[in-house]
Amino acid sequence: AQRVTQPEKLLSVFKGAPVELKCNYSYSGSPELFWYVQYSRQRLQLLLRHISRESIKGFTADLNKGETSFHLKKPFAQEEDSAMYYCAPPLDDKIIFGKGTRLHILP
Amino acid sequence: GAVVSQHPSRVICKSGTSVKIECRSLDFQATTMFWYRQFPKQSLMLMATSNEGSKATYEQGVEKDKFLINHASLTLSTLTVTSAHPEDSSFYICSARAMDRLSPLHFGNGTRLTVT
Repeated sequence: AQRVTQPEKLLSVFKGAPVELKCNYSYSGSPELFWYVQYSRQRLQLLLRHISRESIKGFTADLNKGETSFHLKKPFAQEEDSAMYYCAPPLDDKIIFGKGTRLHILP
Repeated sequence: GAVVSQHPSRVICKSGTSVKIECRSLDFQATTMFWYRQFPKQSLMLMATSNEGSKATYEQGVEKDKFLINHASLTLSTLTVTSAHPEDSSFYICSARAMDRLSPLHFGNGTRLTVT
């Protein structure tokens, strides 16, 4: 079955330190992955998508087929990055979310 | 940007009554809409996938007769919780996707349902 795994439930990082949110997938074909973010008291929203290879709010994510990973990275964490992050693939015609990782930026 | 409007944001109802939640895509046509349920401090659990003009596809363990989904147009999907019970109390979130499966999801603000 196609699945994504976010192994960290909570990640605490000091402001200014690098951030890496892990996402591993098990896929039979070419994966198409998204990262979604939910800030406090806001709706879930798209952060970035694998196919566009863009950088949003300083975050990037590279698909590593050898490691079957799509980790989300940012070189210098900011306090406003504190949020819940979800890695999600479109699986056939539906989107199933992993458990998510709560990122807590320490001052 | 694409906007999804979900109403109501909060609803309290008595046990045994039915509640309808609306999800509208305001500035795009949503060929597919998803309904999720979120328990406190947990991830989103997919309940069902609805495509405009066809019957919804429910995930395993979700009662289709209890959670009625209608996707009558490209901009509106509704979730009706029928004969609600206290255990149905939860946070329900809809999302909409335009065009194809590689399009991102756009989310509503969610509906907090409390059944007394």
